[in-house]
Amino acid sequence: EPQLVESGGGLVQPGGSLRLSCEASGFMFSAYWIHWLRQTPGKGLMWVSRINDDGTTTNYGDSVKGRFTISRDNAKNIVYLQMNSLGGDDTAMYYCARSGNTYYGANWFDPWGQGTQVTVSS
Amino acid sequence: EIVLTQAPGTLSLSPGERATLSCRASQSVSSNFLAWYRQKVGQAPRLLIYGASIRASGIPDRFSGSGSGTDFTLTISRLEPEDFAVYYCQQYGSSPPWTFGQGTKVEIK
Repeated sequence: EPQLVESGGGLVQPGGSLRLSCEASGFMFSAYWIHWLRQTPGKGLMWVSRINDDGTTTNYGDSVKGRFTISRDNAKNIVYLQMNSLGGDDTAMYYCARSGNTYYGANWFDPWGQGTQVTVSS
Repeated sequence: EIVLTQAPGTLSLSPGERATLSCRASQSVSSNFLAWYRQKVGQAPRLLIYGASIRASGIPDRFSGSGSGTDFTLTISRLEPEDFAVYYCQQYGSSPPWTFGQGTKVEIK
């Protein structure tokens, strides 16, 4: 059964950095696009970033572009999200999720990890 | 960016009743690239429907999706206790950003 497990969340000061990890198991990791999403009580669910199967193509939401970097290590079945210049608006539960299928355009999310909480506060 | 508006915000029903949830898009969703998710308290969202009407693996047939263009519906034919949760629609058209509705909470009446 495909599974994703996030780690790396925590409390960070404004302007600080954090790196999230998403470890995958139970499926052919190198065949799938992987996404990061985040959720807050106020703004709901928001797509953050994605990376293609071999790591050569990435996309970002406007609110994180230039501050966040997504990458992957297919030998370790891990996707990373490096987050820099963090602000209060970045406080959220962060989820990684797999694209629903291996073909281009299958940008529904299944499965999701359990999430890791990021809190930006002094 | 496509904005998705879900209605109603909260639906109060009893177990065994039928639930009808709406998701309206600010512009046409290409190729009916619309998904539905259920999120129970303290859990991550779980995929129910993709392609507007295709049930995901392991999803019971009491869940059905319909619609096209800008208007989509998720129907739960008979509510089970585990169905009292928040439901989100998501569009995944050709280009990012992919967006979500604000959610519909189905609560026990």
